[in-house]
Amino acid sequence: KAGVTQTPRYLIKTRGQQVTLSCSPISGHRSVSWYQQTPGQGLQFLFEYFSETQRNKGNFPGRFSGRQFSNSRSEMNVSTLELGDSALYLCASSLDGVGADTQYFGPGTRLTVL
Amino acid sequence: AQSVTQLGSHVSVSEGALVLLRCNYSSSVPPYLFWYVQYPNQGLQLLLKYTTGATLVKGINGFEAEFKKSETSFHLTKPSAHMSDAAEYFCAVSEAGSARQLTFGSGTQLTVLP
Repeated sequence: KAGVTQTPRYLIKTRGQQVTLSCSPISGHRSVSWYQQTPGQGLQFLFEYFSETQRNKGNFPGRFSGRQFSNSRSEMNVSTLELGDSALYLCASSLDGVGADTQYFGPGTRLTVL
Repeated sequence: AQSVTQLGSHVSVSEGALVLLRCNYSSSVPPYLFWYVQYPNQGLQLLLKYTTGATLVKGINGFEAEFKKSETSFHLTKPSAHMSDAAEYFCAVSEAGSARQLTFGSGTQLTVLP
């Protein structure tokens, strides 16, 4: 079974631009979560989607948004990019995100903001 | 609010020596506990998880962890380190009943010396 895939793997943007990252979960998984990883703040939860609905949201500004499609694929968008948004963005999928459901992580998208 | 503390941002061991990575958590309710490993330029891979039941949990690659409620700890051990164990290790916690939002520790970089 194919793992979680994320595209693109690397992105370079300039301040003020916006960016869209994509995540394809493992087949059959309906929950998709997003995390930001930076050297200073570590791994932080962004949001989680299930059946096209956002169920949980972390403490990030409204510039960070996401959505999920009917096939469970998810995108996250960051508008008006800031230098501090440079990070590795990780997507994780799980069956339904309840109980002790395991989250499986993708390789991440490395975003660099210049 | 939940939090995770990993003591020691860098740990070095000799090949064949015991690996001990420390993790303490705080949670108002019994949590689920996880250890993930991250190799360079890759996503996170689950090593093991504790949900309920037996407090000694065995994971992949010879790792195990023991849940000690009285000490609010979930330390990761491996009897004999291998060069391929060199990576960054993250302890994570989620609220019992929902594993879809993980709170991570700051990580421990493990170096294995020949």
